[in-house]
Amino acid sequence: QVQLVESGGDVVQPGRSLRLSCAASGFSFSNYGMHWVRQAPGKGLEWVAVISYDGSNKYYADSVKGRFTISRDNSKNTLYLQMNSLRAEDTAVYYCAKADRVIMLFGSCFDYWGQGTLVTVSS
Amino acid sequence: EIVLTQSPGTLSLSPGERATLSCRASQSVSSSYLAWYQQKPGQAPRLLIYGASSRATGIPDRFSGSGSGTDFTLTIRRLEPEDFAVYYCQQYGSSPYTFGQGTKLEIK
Repeated sequence: QVQLVESGGDVVQPGRSLRLSCAASGFSFSNYGMHWVRQAPGKGLEWVAVISYDGSNKYYADSVKGRFTISRDNSKNTLYLQMNSLRAEDTAVYYCAKADRVIMLFGSCFDYWGQGTLVTVSS
Repeated sequence: EIVLTQSPGTLSLSPGERATLSCRASQSVSSSYLAWYQQKPGQAPRLLIYGASSRATGIPDRFSGSGSGTDFTLTIRRLEPEDFAVYYCQQYGSSPYTFGQGTKLEIK
């Protein structure tokens, strides 16, 4: 069965960096685009970034562009989110999510989600 | 950016009743790339509906989606106790992918 397991969440000071990981299993990871979505405490869902199946295409929300970098290692079935210059407003649970269609980025919804990892940005 | 506005913000109903949730887009959603997700406290979102009207794997048939263009609806026929949760619509046809602000379905 499909499993997505996030890790790397922590309490960090503003301006510092953090890298999140998402270990995938139960499907052909290298065939699917992958996303990061976050949810601030008590708030709704906010899409953060997407990476294509082969890593060649990446898109970001304006709120994280230039600070966050999405990447993947298909040999390790792992998705990453490098977060630099963290701000208090980046405090959230970060979920990784799998695109539901092979190869496609747009036109592909999110059919499996991990349980999330909490990032707290505070001095 | 396509802005999605969900209504109502909170819906109070009793088990056995019918729930109708609305999602309106600021511009047309291409090819009906509109999904609905359910989220319970402390859990990850779960895909319910994709393509505006197709049920995801394992979703009971009391859940149905409809609509096109800018107006979409999620209907839950005969609410079960486990259906009380927060529901989000999402468009996935273009970047940035966007979610509605959510509708909380609570027990009356």
